Amino acid sequence: NAGVMQNPRHLVRRRGQEARLRCSPMKGHSHVYWYRQLPEEGLKFMVYLQKENIIDESGMPKERFSAEFPKEGPSILRIQQVVRGDSAAYFCASSPGQGGQHFGDGTRLSIL
Amino acid sequence: AQRVTQPEKLLSVFKGAPVELKCNYSYSGSPELFWYVQYSRQRLQLLLRHISRESIKGFTADLNKGETSFHLKKPFAQEEDSAMYYCALTNTGGFKTIFGAGTRLFVKA
Repeated sequence: NAGVMQNPRHLVRRRGQEARLRCSPMKGHSHVYWYRQLPEEGLKFMVYLQKENIIDESGMPKERFSAEFPKEGPSILRIQQVVRGDSAAYFCASSPGQGGQHFGDGTRLSIL
Repeated sequence: AQRVTQPEKLLSVFKGAPVELKCNYSYSGSPELFWYVQYSRQRLQLLLRHISRESIKGFTADLNKGETSFHLKKPFAQEEDSAMYYCALTNTGGFKTIFGAGTRLFVKA
């Protein structure tokens, strides 16, 4: 079991471009979570998804950010029209249900 | 409001000394508490959870509902314990997890 896989590990975008971050959960896990970590800060919950459903998106900014977890394929966190303040590390985690989560290595997004 | 507070950003101890990483939480129901650890250049991983009442790598944590605390303790710190430690809370029956800001533990030789 390869664990939670995130790609890319590093992503550079110019202001105004779109950023797409991918997350493949651990085999057998149907729950996916996205977190954002700003420099010198802790992890901030963004969204929790199950297959084809967004369960809790209370941590997602109201504009430009969206997430999906389709029936087939990885979960995608999409940031449209990126701004400098979007620069952060974005972590994905998965779980089979309640309890502890397994984390990926994260995607470090840099906005020029 | 749900909140997890780790008052120390950095904790430095000598090898062999006891270590306690503090965690306080604010939650109106019955939460589930966790400690996660991130070693250098590795991904975040679950260290222990309060309902398991287990000891992992010599670390223990007891949930104190009266003081709303879940401090992580180890009687004798080792150099390999140097890492970033996060306390986290999940509401019972739910999945949303709130993380503290983290404490960096540095164990000196």
